[in-house]
Amino acid sequence: DQQVKQNSPSLSVQEGRISILNCDYTNSMFDYFLWYKKYPAEGPTFLISISSIKDKNEDGRFTVFLNKSAKHLSLHIVPSQPGDSAVYFCAASSAQGGSEKLVFGKGTKLTVNP
Amino acid sequence: GAVVSQHPSRVICKSGTSVKIECRSLDFQATTMFWYRQFPKQSLMLMATSNEGSKATYEQGVEKDKFLINHASLTLSTLTVTSAHPEDSSFYICSAQGSFNQPQHFGDGTRLSIL
Repeated sequence: DQQVKQNSPSLSVQEGRISILNCDYTNSMFDYFLWYKKYPAEGPTFLISISSIKDKNEDGRFTVFLNKSAKHLSLHIVPSQPGDSAVYFCAASSAQGGSEKLVFGKGTKLTVNP
Repeated sequence: GAVVSQHPSRVICKSGTSVKIECRSLDFQATTMFWYRQFPKQSLMLMATSNEGSKATYEQGVEKDKFLINHASLTLSTLTVTSAHPEDSSFYICSAQGSFNQPQHFGDGTRLSIL
């Protein structure tokens, strides 16, 4: 049972345009969400996070939106740059019970074309 | 900051060999380290969580006698795959967390191939 779903395995956008990566989750106990970026042959790199008490968090070109009622979050990258081309993983955790283990989606491969 | 080093990056060995993978937090103290496994085209799956000085907590279905985890210090955790077999071939990756509610920072992973 996939608790975190990234339904688009890939996304291609033009440089300068907006990239929107989507993520859905099923576990209502999740209260902390993260996006990681992964280049080939490297480990995931933390990008941005959001707590369930917020609906938006912004860091430079990256903004994460959280819609708790829909159990949906999205990562917006604007403007997109060729260097943003990577696999993006959505992850979720629940602090309830003292455990912070992350549940990951399968990832979305973003390609930004020059 | 928040650099996690994982070694080795690639291991190829014969069936029956035990393989040790190291995970180090280089510029911060990691109260908790996590070990994941990833199969092709699948998501990262948590294997176990370890806190410094205590026994690791394994996820359901992960054999603790097969995957030995030691977290001897606040900067080092090791995963030993004992008597590895071809079905253990996978991508193993560790992460480290400085404190509660902080992001996990990942190593670059270890590609394990058992012949």
